[in-house]
Amino acid sequence: RKEVEQDPGPFNVPEGATVAFNCTYSNSASQSFFWYRQDCRKEPKLLMSVYSSGNEDGRFTAQLNRASQYISLLIRDSKLSDSATYLCVVNIGSGGYNKLIFGAGTRLAVHP
Amino acid sequence: DGGITQSPKYLFRKEGQNVTLSCEQNLNHDAMYWYRQDPGQGLRLIYYSQIVNDFQKGDIAEGYSVSREKKESFPLTVTSAQKNPTAFYLCASNPDRGSTEAFFGQGTRLTVV
Repeated sequence: RKEVEQDPGPFNVPEGATVAFNCTYSNSASQSFFWYRQDCRKEPKLLMSVYSSGNEDGRFTAQLNRASQYISLLIRDSKLSDSATYLCVVNIGSGGYNKLIFGAGTRLAVHP
Repeated sequence: DGGITQSPKYLFRKEGQNVTLSCEQNLNHDAMYWYRQDPGQGLRLIYYSQIVNDFQKGDIAEGYSVSREKKESFPLTVTSAQKNPTAFYLCASNPDRGSTEAFFGQGTRLTVV
C-alpha cells in the first residue's frame, strides 16, 4: 500500500463549481500535512498547510481527520486558473527530522 | 534572494554514461531531498539528507548516488545502472525540525538519447 494515496482524476468541472479532493495516508505517526499545487512541467509550490482544526484561505479549505487518516481540500467557485495538479504531502519524519512523502497528485481541469 | 537552484534545466545523456545534477540552496536549510517525477505521475523520493555528511535512501535509490559535503549542496549522480533515467528531477529543501514547507528548485529534465 502506498504511504500517501490520492485519486488521480482528472476532475473536469465548470467555472464556479465546488470541487473536493481527498487524500489518505498510512502512517499514523505522520506529523504534518500540506497541499501543493503543480502546474504542467513546473515545480510544486505550497498551496496551504493543513491544521488539525481545519483551515481556510480564501476559496480553499483544508481539513484533517487523524482518526480516519485522511486530509481533504475543498475549492469553491473554481477559476480557470485553478487548473493544475494538486499534491497531498505528509511529513512522516520522527525524532525531530522531516521526511516528506508526496501523493501522486489529483489533476483538476476547470473549463468555461 | 534566497532560494534553491538546480542546473542544468535540460540535460541529455547517452546510454551508459553517468551524469550529475546540481542542487544548491542558500536558505540555510538542513534537510535536502531528491525526487523523480515521470509523466502523469507523482513525486518519488530518491535520496534525502538531514545533515552534512549523512543521507538516506528513499524509495527508488537504485542506480543513483548522492553526496552532502556542504550544507548548501546536494548533487545527484544518475549512474549507468539506472535503467530508465529519463524523467523530471526535482530537488527540495526545508529546515530540519518542525513542520515547515519544502522549497523546490525548478527541476532538471533528463533525457537519455
